[in-house]
Amino acid sequence: AQSVTQPDIHITVSEGASLELRCNYSYGATPYLFWYVQSPGQGLQLLLKYFSGDTLVQGIKGFEAEFKRSQSSFNLRKPSVHWSDAAEYFCAAASGGSYIPTFGRGTSLIVHP
Amino acid sequence: NAGVTQTPKFQVLKTGQSMTLQCAQDMNHNSMYWYRQDPGMGLRLIYYSASEGTTDKGEVPNGYNVSRLNKREFSLRLESAAPSQTSVYFCASREGQGSEAFFGQGTRLTVV
Repeated sequence: AQSVTQPDIHITVSEGASLELRCNYSYGATPYLFWYVQSPGQGLQLLLKYFSGDTLVQGIKGFEAEFKRSQSSFNLRKPSVHWSDAAEYFCAAASGGSYIPTFGRGTSLIVHP
Repeated sequence: NAGVTQTPKFQVLKTGQSMTLQCAQDMNHNSMYWYRQDPGMGLRLIYYSASEGTTDKGEVPNGYNVSRLNKREFSLRLESAAPSQTSVYFCASREGQGSEAFFGQGTRLTVV
């Protein structure tokens, strides 16, 4: 079955430290891949997406993600985290006939001052 | 730009009551979705509509019905609410294959 896995439920980092959030997918073919962010009480906002081509994708708010076909991964990174980055992060994938977005369970990012 | 608008934002229901969650998008998107978000479960698809006039079940459709009223509007109905339906509900729309989904602000529903 197609699925998206985010292995880390919570991640705690200090402000200014680097960040990597993990995402693995299980699909027959490479799906379209997305990272979303959800601030408390808000809807989901797209950070970045990967369809094809360059495997390093730049997004908004200083985020980037790297697609690695060999590892079926699409990890999200940021060189220096700000307190305002504290939020829930969701990885999603879409493939197949209907391309319905399927989401991972999310990773909660906590930023210490 | 309104994007995807959901109403209401908050609702408390008693067990057995019915209600309809409204969703409208102004981006002329073909596909629309209803997800529920529960702690530790991520977003799970309830129903979707690939295009006007079509609806299909998602992962967790039991206890829900939907109507794709026109291209803009996609409503979710709870006929007899149960405490297990306490959740945050998100509507989303998407232009087409591979494009990103745009989300509403969510409806926080509590069933007591």
